Amino acid sequence: KNEVEQSPQNLTAQEGEFITINCSYSVGISALHWLQQHPGGGIVSLFMLSSGKKKHGRLIATINIQEKHSSLHITASHPRDSAVYICAPRAGAQKLVFGQGTRLTINP
Amino acid sequence: EPEVTQTPSHQVTQMGQEVILRCVPISNHLYFYWYRQILGQKVEFLVSFYNNEISEKSEIFDDQFSVERPDGSNFTLKIRSTKLEDSAMYFCASSRDSTDLVTQYFGPGTRLLVL
Repeated sequence: KNEVEQSPQNLTAQEGEFITINCSYSVGISALHWLQQHPGGGIVSLFMLSSGKKKHGRLIATINIQEKHSSLHITASHPRDSAVYICAPRAGAQKLVFGQGTRLTINP
Repeated sequence: EPEVTQTPSHQVTQMGQEVILRCVPISNHLYFYWYRQILGQKVEFLVSFYNNEISEKSEIFDDQFSVERPDGSNFTLKIRSTKLEDSAMYFCASSRDSTDLVTQYFGPGTRLLVL
């Protein structure tokens, strides 16, 4: 069983739709990253959170440590949001354990 | 905005050759990391480095791999004798410290192809 499971693996939506990507993990963690990987391969950190909810622009991330579950939401999605979104719980002193990613495509 | 840089962006090498991948972390950061992503697979942690020594490493990081901070700015990953399965994108990252909510900043990656 994977330590980090993301769903869905692929998601296609129309511009303007509300997007939710889910992450369940089995590793014991102190915090969790949400990352965005662009088609060229570059990785950008979106959020690091250990409890509750964080918001940055149209992005919202929530985490429930007891249930070992986190979600990433995108409001008013736009084609430029098309990317792979990766959940990465922190499972060691500094070690991140990566999910397989959710490939998001937003059509105009 | 400060960023992590990596060189080269692409490297092609023959199996058995040594390669050195270079990274310049953000200047006031103290923790450095290497990750790799084999094509089509998820990103994997290789090693973390602090205070001139390895602080954590994965089972992937065997004796073929080594890391070094040869001067005040560079952080390198050396693969001594490359294998075909070392072909991957290698990402360097750095962070200010290792506390829970500190972000890791990733470089653009070096795409390594071993022939």
